[in-house]
Amino acid sequence: QVQLVESGGGVVQPGRSLRLSCAASGFTVDSYAMHWVRQSPGMGLEWVAVLSYDGSDKYYADSVKGRFTISRDNSKNMLFLEMNSLRPEDTAVYYCAKVGISYSDYVYFDSWGQGTLVTVSS
Amino acid sequence: EIVLTQSPGTLSLSPGERATLSCRASQSVSRFLAWYQQRPGQAPRLLIYGASSRATGVPDTFSGSGSGTDFTLTISRLEPEDFAVYYCQQYGNSRFSFGQGTKLEIK
Repeated sequence: QVQLVESGGGVVQPGRSLRLSCAASGFTVDSYAMHWVRQSPGMGLEWVAVLSYDGSDKYYADSVKGRFTISRDNSKNMLFLEMNSLRPEDTAVYYCAKVGISYSDYVYFDSWGQGTLVTVSS
Repeated sequence: EIVLTQSPGTLSLSPGERATLSCRASQSVSRFLAWYQQRPGQAPRLLIYGASSRATGVPDTFSGSGSGTDFTLTISRLEPEDFAVYYCQQYGNSRFSFGQGTKLEIK
């Protein structure tokens, strides 16, 4: 069955960097568009970034554009989020999510990981 | 960016009652609209996609309707496990925005 496991979260100082990982099983990441979504404590869901199924397109929320980079490693079946110049407002649980239809980009999210907490604080 | 506005912010009902949640888009998203349920401490779970199609394993007490800019999630008869936060999401363009959520609480 499909499983997504995030890792890499932790406490980091403002201005520093962090790399999140999402290990996928039960499907191959090179066949599906993949997303990162975050949720600040007590708040709603905020879409962060998407990597198209063929890996050619990447889109970001305005709040992270120019600071975050989404990527994947097909050989390891993993998704990544490189986060630079972190700010206190980036503090959140970060989820990776898989879309529901292969070889399609504009699709709902049918599977989510359990999330990894990133805390940006001095 | 397409803004999704959900109402009400909080809905207080009793088990067995009917719940109606609304989601309005700032511009047409056709039927590229999904609904998710999030229980405390858990990841979101897909309920409805394509505005009205139930995801695998979702009880038929959940139904979605609408198109364009106005959408509704209806829970016909509330069970104790249905009390949670519900989010709508549009996936029609490259900015996959979410609504701010509706908290469904026990009255």
